[in-house]
Amino acid sequence: DADVTQTPRNRITKTGKRIMLECSQTKGHDRMYWYRQDPGLGLRLIYYSFDVKDINKGEISDGYSVSRQAQAKFSLSLESAIPNQTALYFCATSHSDSYGYTFGSGTRLTVV
Amino acid sequence: TQLLKQSPQFLSIQEGENLTVYCNSSSVFSSLQWYRQEPGEGPVLLVTVVTGGEVKKLKRLTFQFGDARKDSSLHITAAQTGDTGLYLCAGALSGGSNYKLTFGKGTLLTVNP
Repeated sequence: DADVTQTPRNRITKTGKRIMLECSQTKGHDRMYWYRQDPGLGLRLIYYSFDVKDINKGEISDGYSVSRQAQAKFSLSLESAIPNQTALYFCATSHSDSYGYTFGSGTRLTVV
Repeated sequence: TQLLKQSPQFLSIQEGENLTVYCNSSSVFSSLQWYRQEPGEGPVLLVTVVTGGEVKKLKRLTFQFGDARKDSSLHITAAQTGDTGLYLCAGALSGGSNYKLTFGKGTLLTVNP
């Protein structure tokens, strides 16, 4: 099994719908992140969490919310999806004592 | 403002050729990482460099961190088709924390057989 698992891998949804992307990890890492990747824009940080009780906004948090249900689980919600939220979404984890992120395989989200 | 600028943006070469890609900034980083991303997958960490002037080797890949810790390069010797992918550099700003990385936009490398 993958160290960082994202579900679903692909999703098509309609404008205005609420959608949740889920991330779970078996790395035992304390820090978790949500990024989106767009052609020409690179990876941009949406939210990050240091532990269950610590949630922080990234550079592009508007229109998104997150929940850290447990150390191993971090979900991203789009309350009312809009077409410009069409992107590739990645969850990543890291440990406070080390460098480097472990990424999931991504969720390709299309909002029509 | 693009904190980490990668060049070239695209690179297409033949198998067996050598290549170098660059990651430049006007800011100082406490550490810098390189990732490779293949289509349909998440980025995978290749290396972390933390000391100015540091050189690390990973088989045919050589990574260098600039003396002033503002730039880095990745050199691939005798490229193979399996090296094809998006190469991303990411840095933690000096004075900040190692958890918060800034990513460059990447160099898309295609190695043709």
